[in-house]
Amino acid sequence: GQQVMQIPQYQHVQEGEDFTTYCNSSTTLSNIQWYKQRPGGHPVFLIQLVKSGEVKKQKRLTFQFGEAKKNSSLHITATQTTDVGTYFCAGLHRGSQGNLIFGKGTKLSVKP
Amino acid sequence: DAGVIQSPRHEVTEMGQEVTLRCKPISGHNSLFWYRQTMMRGLELLIYFNNNVPIDDSGMPEDRFSAKMPNASFSTLKIQPSEPRDSAVYFCASSFSTLGTSGYEQYFGPGTRLTVT
Repeated sequence: GQQVMQIPQYQHVQEGEDFTTYCNSSTTLSNIQWYKQRPGGHPVFLIQLVKSGEVKKQKRLTFQFGEAKKNSSLHITATQTTDVGTYFCAGLHRGSQGNLIFGKGTKLSVKP
Repeated sequence: DAGVIQSPRHEVTEMGQEVTLRCKPISGHNSLFWYRQTMMRGLELLIYFNNNVPIDDSGMPEDRFSAKMPNASFSTLKIQPSEPRDSAVYFCASSFSTLGTSGYEQYFGPGTRLTVT
């Protein structure tokens, strides 16, 4: 079936270091969304990318959508302890009925 | 402005018992999703409703699981009989979207943590 692969599964960084998580789909996506889930919380929408090659920024977070619309990345510059949580990508496959396919997430821990 | 409301927040039950989870989506949203989250399997879509109609229930594990959406403001997920392997956090999410078009962001409820002993 349709899958969205996300790596790495875990990432431990020192506060101030950068962090990147990658998302790959075997099929072309209509769009991709990113969510953040704090420990003990629920996923919260961060952003949606729709266009091929699109790049969006939110303060220290940079989101990219690949030219082929099969991969995406989230990069955090100079991590802070408030960035701790699990980051999920979720893809909407072309021809799907509207349900997102979530990656398994990257769990980020930040050492102060 | 109330978000997605789920109840109960925690449920502990014995194997074989019936469990009913409830969800009230955000007013005006026309799509509702039930997810299950575990460490091993991550976030799995169980079922997706659009305009109260089940669109994709391929993620429902087996006949022990059933979901209903009798109206636009209420949905239930029922497990009967429950088993220890059903222990997980169950999330309900809602959005406003049109079938087959680019998706819109999903708003998740706080989840129900289910423990089956």
